[in-house]
Amino acid sequence: DVKVTQSSRYLVKRTGEKVFLECVQDMDHENMFWYRQDPGLGLRLIYFSYDVKMKEKGDIPEGYSVSREKKERFSLILESASTNQTSMYLCASSSQGLGYTFGSGTRLTVV
Amino acid sequence: AQTVTQSQPEMSVQEAETVTLSCTYDTSENNYYLFWYKQPPSRQMILVIRQEAYKQQNATENRFSVNFQKAAKSFSLKISDSQLGDTAMYFCAFMKHEGAQKLVFGQGTRLTINP
Repeated sequence: DVKVTQSSRYLVKRTGEKVFLECVQDMDHENMFWYRQDPGLGLRLIYFSYDVKMKEKGDIPEGYSVSREKKERFSLILESASTNQTSMYLCASSSQGLGYTFGSGTRLTVV
Repeated sequence: AQTVTQSQPEMSVQEAETVTLSCTYDTSENNYYLFWYKQPPSRQMILVIRQEAYKQQNATENRFSVNFQKAAKSFSLKISDSQLGDTAMYFCAFMKHEGAQKLVFGQGTRLTINP
């Protein structure tokens, strides 16, 4: 089975800090994604990547950036964390048309 | 742009009952995929069922089946003989067949199975 691993399950950061969320997949999937999940809003796409060093903005990229230096790793960066970025962050990977495999999520609290 | 709507924020049924979760979507695409994902309290999103739009036959996976109505742009999930372990958030999602493999999610339905 494909495994997608997110490095932290819970994180608490201070306003203004630079935050890195790491995601690693082990099945050589081309596509990787970062979503945030908020009650009543479902999952919203932040950024995605379809190849190494390639990235595209999703629906809510403001305040975030990403890095994909290796195929298996996709990092989400909060340049200067703010309280409105408190959320659940989900990473996923996929191969063509088969749907996603998700990580366990990182619940980030910005205080 | 595609949109996915789940009109039932919460549902609750008794164990062993059958329950149907609604999902509608809006797209101008002809070929696409539809999915139902389950997110239990453990937070791990799990793929429940997948439907390819060009296939007329409704997908089934054990106790889970869908009613796919392409013309009506409707994709409901039926859970038969519901079990306590079915308690979870359920998300309906849409993906275009071509291009970037982005999933568009609905808002989710919180399903509770009562003993």
